[in-house]
Amino acid sequence: KQEVTQIPAALSVPEGENLVLNCSFTDSAIYNLQWFRQDPGKGLTSLLLIQSSQREQTSGRLNASLDKSSGRSTLYIAASQPGDSATYLCAVPKNFGNEKLTFGTGTRLTIIP
Amino acid sequence: AAGVIQSPRHLIKEKRETATLKCYPIPRHDTVYWYQQGPGQDPQFLISFYEKMQSDKGSIPDRFSAQQFSDYHSELNMSSLELGDSALYFCASSSQRGANSPFFGPGTRLTVL
Repeated sequence: KQEVTQIPAALSVPEGENLVLNCSFTDSAIYNLQWFRQDPGKGLTSLLLIQSSQREQTSGRLNASLDKSSGRSTLYIAASQPGDSATYLCAVPKNFGNEKLTFGTGTRLTIIP
Repeated sequence: AAGVIQSPRHLIKEKRETATLKCYPIPRHDTVYWYQQGPGQDPQFLISFYEKMQSDKGSIPDRFSAQQFSDYHSELNMSSLELGDSALYFCASSSQRGANSPFFGPGTRLTVL
């Protein structure tokens, strides 16, 4: 059974700093990995999707990396801003495509102005 | 751009009542997923439909049922509601059975009193 863990559970950093969020998964036979953002009480916004054949994806100040063999992914946020404050979740699908995503436990990020 | 629509956005019910949640996928999306997110929890997959047929099933209680209609919208029916059913219920949609990244709706917040 796939288990997805995110460390730390919560993180507070001053505005402007670069930071890294971690995601670990137990079954390396994944099709892809997604990073989502969730604001309190709100829906999920997909940030980046990395296919299993890729090592990283970039979107603006965000960079996600994937190391399938070690079962790890990182989300790097450059020059953090207060608007980045949210919970960040990684998720992997059960099989081909995106059916039955297994979500990580999430990291609650607070950017201090 | 059109997004996934969920209705209602908020719902308050008493124990043992029934509730129906609706999801309208993005146009031309043929796959719908339902997730349940309890307070402080990560989203848990409930069930999915592809071309109006159930395609996968997760931890959905027997008291819940769902279907996808000819216009691709989906409904989650919940009976004999329990206090523990209070959660944020997300619907997501994708095209080609998840070959593309799913888009999540804003969620329906169900409170059972």
